[in-house]
Amino acid sequence: GDSVTQMEGPVTLSEEAFLTINCTYTATGYPSLFWYVQYPGEGLQLLLKATKADDKGSNKGFEATYRKETTSFHLEKGSVQVSDSAVYFCALSGNTGNQFYFGTGTSLTVIP
Amino acid sequence: NAGVMQNPRHLVRRRGQEARLRCSPMKGHSHVYWYRQLPEEGLKFMVYLQKENIIDESGMPKERFSAEFPKEGPSILRIQQVVRGDSAAYFCASSPATGTKNTGELFFGEGSRLTVL
Repeated sequence: GDSVTQMEGPVTLSEEAFLTINCTYTATGYPSLFWYVQYPGEGLQLLLKATKADDKGSNKGFEATYRKETTSFHLEKGSVQVSDSAVYFCALSGNTGNQFYFGTGTSLTVIP
Repeated sequence: NAGVMQNPRHLVRRRGQEARLRCSPMKGHSHVYWYRQLPEEGLKFMVYLQKENIIDESGMPKERFSAEFPKEGPSILRIQQVVRGDSAAYFCASSPATGTKNTGELFFGEGSRLTVL
């Protein structure tokens, strides 16, 4: 079945460091891919998405490119801030569009 | 603000009591999902519902847990005879109806945090 595997955390970085959180997926057909972010004590919010191969989703300095050849959707940011401290979830929506599969989440802490 | 509304935000129950968690989806959304998040763990799918129908309950424990999404009113996740292991954050999410492939996103509520004493 469809699934998502993402890099385990926790990840601790200094402010202005480069961030990569790896995400790979298994799916039949052509899923849509998402990154969600969860700040402490809150629900998940969509960070960015990509709906077809080679699409790049971007938001708030974060980027991820839908790579069908490597079945990956890695999250990157060039210079993290303390306010980026949160848990990041990779997710996919399958062919029917009605089922969403989430990774286990990667906790990021950015220290000044 | 017409976001996904969950209540209560915090619920404390003693072992053996019942817990009822409510979720009102965003306006115009007819698909509701329930997820459970245990401390230090990821998001676990529980159940997916449309109005008056359970579409996928493969993530629901077979006993004590049930969910509904009636024609009128919020979706309800019901946990009977709670045990300490049920302590978790329960998140509801909604999405709009789809006639064709949905490339949209899920909209999450802020969660209901259940503590079983």
